[in-house]
Amino acid sequence: GAGVSQSPSNKVTEKGKDVELRCDPISGHTALYWYRQRLGQGLEFLIYFQGNSAPDKSGLPSDRFSAERTGESVSTLTIQRTQQEDSAVYLCASSLVATSGDSNTGELFFGEGSRLTVL
Amino acid sequence: AQSVAQPEDQVKVAEGNPLTVKCTYSVSGNPYLFWYVQYPNRGLQFLLKYITGDNLVKGSYGFEAEFNKSQTSFHLKKPSALVSDSALYFCAVRDTRIGTLTFGKGTMLLVSP
Repeated sequence: GAGVSQSPSNKVTEKGKDVELRCDPISGHTALYWYRQRLGQGLEFLIYFQGNSAPDKSGLPSDRFSAERTGESVSTLTIQRTQQEDSAVYLCASSLVATSGDSNTGELFFGEGSRLTVL
Repeated sequence: AQSVAQPEDQVKVAEGNPLTVKCTYSVSGNPYLFWYVQYPNRGLQFLLKYITGDNLVKGSYGFEAEFNKSQTSFHLKKPSALVSDSALYFCAVRDTRIGTLTFGKGTMLLVSP
């Protein structure tokens, strides 16, 4: 496909269960981001992957959250022992690293999101 | 640290009137600035960005934004609003030395017929 693909689009789980959310970025995009959007709120940064560099995990809210990326392709966001406050839409985005000097000027392309509901 | 403020939760305008959605930012270095739009139950779509050069940036769907360094602002504008412009608008900033993109809380634009 031409865009960022996320799956599942909807996930309902019980409190305490683990969930995995998947993101397929646009081919050739070296940067990949995960954001969380709670109902009626803005985007909360979770984690950022850029090429082979160590990921920026500064936005992960707790050690129950982790993410991996295979090379420059698929990424998986894992939430262990889910809590009700984890209910949100999880958005993935990718970008080219269009550089101006050492900086990334590329815009992000977003997937449709994975809506997680924890009962 | 970098941050973005969108002071208005909601902006209401009548169709055909000009619209402005406000955004101010804070970064340590030079900013890269972005506007995105989110339609209901959809992901975010890129509208425009400021990297360098001309302070007035033109983007998709007739939107434009003006970068004002002294006021640290990057307000989104459109000369004539359409009902179909009704959506949630996000401003975002990236410090030129940092990879992550920080978003504002969003402003809901409501355009009445």
